[in-house]
This record gives sequence, C-alpha cells and structure tokens, in this order.
Amino acid sequence: DAGVTQSPTHLIKTRGQQVTLRCSPKSGHDTVSWYQQALGQGPQFIFQYYEEEERQRGNFPDRFSGHQFPNYSSELNVNALLLGDSALYLCASSLTQWRMNTEAFFGQGTRLTVV
Amino acid sequence: AQSVTQLDSQVPVFEEAPVELRCNYSSSVSVYLFWYVQYPNQGLQLLLKYLSGSTLVKGINGFEAEFNKSQTSFHLRKPSVHISDTAEYFCAVTRAQAGTALIFGKGTTLSVSS
Repeated sequence: DAGVTQSPTHLIKTRGQQVTLRCSPKSGHDTVSWYQQALGQGPQFIFQYYEEEERQRGNFPDRFSGHQFPNYSSELNVNALLLGDSALYLCASSLTQWRMNTEAFFGQGTRLTVV
Repeated sequence: AQSVTQLDSQVPVFEEAPVELRCNYSSSVSVYLFWYVQYPNQGLQLLLKYLSGSTLVKGINGFEAEFNKSQTSFHLRKPSVHISDTAEYFCAVTRAQAGTALIFGKGTTLSVSS
C-alpha cells in the first residue's frame, strides 16, 4: 500500500503565477482534504472533497480551488500566488463510512515557495 | 466550533526521562481527538486517537494519552523518551460527523537531548 502520495515534493513559483498540486489517496479511501501549514504553525484546513464535490471549506479565498477525479485523486489549484502562500501543503485521505469520519492519513506534503 | 490549545510551545527533556505534552480542547458537541507527530520536512503521522470508550488510549512508539472530558484535556505522555522522539507534536480535534475538518493546535516541539 503506497499510502497517500503527493506531487511534486517541492515547487518554486513567482508571485502572480498559478500552481497545481496533486494527491493520490490511500487505497480504499474516497475522501480527500487539503491543509496549508505555514512555517512554525499547525495545519489549517483548506477544503475537503467527497464524491467529486467540495463538501466543506475553510477560511481561504477563492484563489484556492480544487477538484476530485472519479478515481478519488485530487488537485489543489492556487491562482495569483502571493508571498504568503509559501507553505507546506498537506493532503489527507480518509473513508466516509456511514456518514462518519474515519482516521485521516497524511501525505508527505508539497513545499511551495513563492518568490 | 471546535478549538485546540497546546499549552507548551517547546518541551526540552533528557533522554530516558518521562514527558507530558499538554492539550486542551473546546467543543459544544462530541468530538474525536488525535495526536500526530511530524518529523522535519515530513508529513503527519498518527500517534494515537480517541473515538470513544476507554479514556486511556495507547498509541505507537510507547505513547499514550488520557481523555478527560470534565477538564476538556487530552494530554500525551511517554514514560521514557528517546533521542528519536525529537519532533513536532500536534493535537487535533474533529467532530464525529463526516465531512468535518481536523482542527489542529499550533504544535509542541519536543527536544530530547542526551
């Protein structure tokens, strides 16, 4: 079992550019959540996808958008990058079972640096 | 809404000493509680979780935590730490209902020295 995989591992972008991060969930999982972890902080929830729809969203601007594909993999897109978007972006997968949360497994993250 | 407060930002300790990392939470509904560990430049690994049942939860690497509903706490303990336990530790809470996010504390840096 490969667990949760994210790509790329590192990325450097210029202010104003757009970026796409990718996540493949753990085998058997159908729910993907994205988190932003700034340096020295705990992860902050961006949004969660289930059945190809955004199910819940945290306090992030519309520049942050996502998608979930039929195979449950997911993308996080960030437009008009700001210096403050520099962070570790973590993907977590879980299984929605009987409308209840189950344990979330995290990937290794994508380190985004905006210059 | 839920919130998590990790009471210590840094905890220095000597090898083989016991350690406690403190976590308080706030919620008006039933919650699940978690402790995650993060090693440098890595993702989060689940140490242990409390969903229901026994208030003493045992996890990996010799860690355990006790859920105290009256004090709304979920402190993490280990009787004897190793150098390899040096890492960032995060306490997190979520509602039992599907679709709700994990809310994390700001983290506690555990530094184990010889």
